[in-house]
Amino acid sequence: DGGITQSPKYLFRKEGQNVTLSCEQNLNHDAMYWYRQDPGQGLRLIYYSQIVNDFQKGDIAEGYSVSREKKESFPLTVTSAQKNPTAFYLCASAPGFDYGYTFGSGTRLTVV
Amino acid sequence: SQQGEEDPQALSIQEGENATMNCSYKTSINNLQWYRQNSGRGLVHLILIRSNEREKHSGRLRVTLDTSKKSSSLLITASRAADTASYFCATDEGFQKLVFGTGTRLLVSP
Repeated sequence: DGGITQSPKYLFRKEGQNVTLSCEQNLNHDAMYWYRQDPGQGLRLIYYSQIVNDFQKGDIAEGYSVSREKKESFPLTVTSAQKNPTAFYLCASAPGFDYGYTFGSGTRLTVV
Repeated sequence: SQQGEEDPQALSIQEGENATMNCSYKTSINNLQWYRQNSGRGLVHLILIRSNEREKHSGRLRVTLDTSKKSSSLLITASRAADTASYFCATDEGFQKLVFGTGTRLLVSP
């Protein structure tokens, strides 16, 4: 079955650590997105990519980094520069413009 | 940037009743989309309506779009307990990306 897989489901980060969240899709979608969701809030865009080897900053890119070396993969690194990383992170993909997004099941990141 | 804003923030109804949620946005759009999110899960795409469309149906869902008022509504008819979730509208902004509202939390009681 085609879909989008995020891992891990839960992640704990110590102060000063970088952590990487995985996002893989087998839908052959060109576009991929990372959103952050805080409790009781909507989604805020971190980074997005329309094509391999190209990506753009969203509204809250500071403290995050991404790569898009393969069409099916769009990992997100939460760096130590992100001062308040505790949140629910959602990855999504779409065939292109003017289509609905397919979301993964999310990664819940907690700073310990 | 927060493009869409849903109203009400929370809605509590009984099974069998209809649920209506509204979304207002600020700038011109190419399309508006509605998503559902069950607690602690990813979002599920429900329906997409383009700027040249006024109404769209999908099963028990009816979406309307009024571009002159920059608003949309989502109607869920004959609600079920399984419809309990948060519902988000999203609009495309500057092409290629969606901006989501803050959501409406719907509780359907048996």
